Amino acid sequence: KQEVTQIPAALSVPEGENLVLNCSFTDSAIYNLQWFRQDPGKGLTSLLLIQSSQREQTSGRLNASLDKSSGRSTLYIAASQPGDSATYLCAGMDSSYKLIFGSGTRLLVRP
Amino acid sequence: NAGVTQTPKFRILKIGQSMTLQCTQDMNHNYMYWYRQDPGMGLKLIYYSVGAGITDKGEVPNGYNVSRSTTEDFPLRLELAAPSQTSVYFCASSPGRTEQFFGPGTRLTVL
Repeated sequence: KQEVTQIPAALSVPEGENLVLNCSFTDSAIYNLQWFRQDPGKGLTSLLLIQSSQREQTSGRLNASLDKSSGRSTLYIAASQPGDSATYLCAGMDSSYKLIFGSGTRLLVRP
Repeated sequence: NAGVTQTPKFRILKIGQSMTLQCTQDMNHNYMYWYRQDPGMGLKLIYYSVGAGITDKGEVPNGYNVSRSTTEDFPLRLELAAPSQTSVYFCASSPGRTEQFFGPGTRLTVL
């Protein structure tokens, strides 16, 4: 059974810092991996989707990588801004095509 | 496009009452999903559908029912509400086994 873990649960950094959010999964037979942003009291916004055949995806200041052999994905945020403060969720699609979510990392970027 | 819309935004139910959470998407996606998110946790799949007339159980289906009579609509029915069903409910859709798009959520409290 696929399990997804995100560590740390919370992270506080000063503005301008580059940072990495971690996501690990137990089953390397992952179909794809998706990173989401969730603002307080809001829905989920899709940030990046990495297919199992891909190693990374980039969008603006965001770069997500996928290493199936080690069961890890990372989300790299360059030059962080206070507006990046949110909860970041990763989710892996398992062999039955269901999304399995991690519990999220709550990010605070301090001005 | 409005994307994925959900109604109501908030609802308070008494124990034993029933209600239907509405979800509509205008992207002509075949796949639709219902998730629940408990405080500080990731999302868990309740039910999903791969097309009109086809539904299947997710990870936590007990206490819920769904139907899918059209491509656009995927209502979630709660029968005999219990305090354990207090949560935020998200509906999502996707064109296939790929990126999922989420609605804004319905915050439900059962007292």
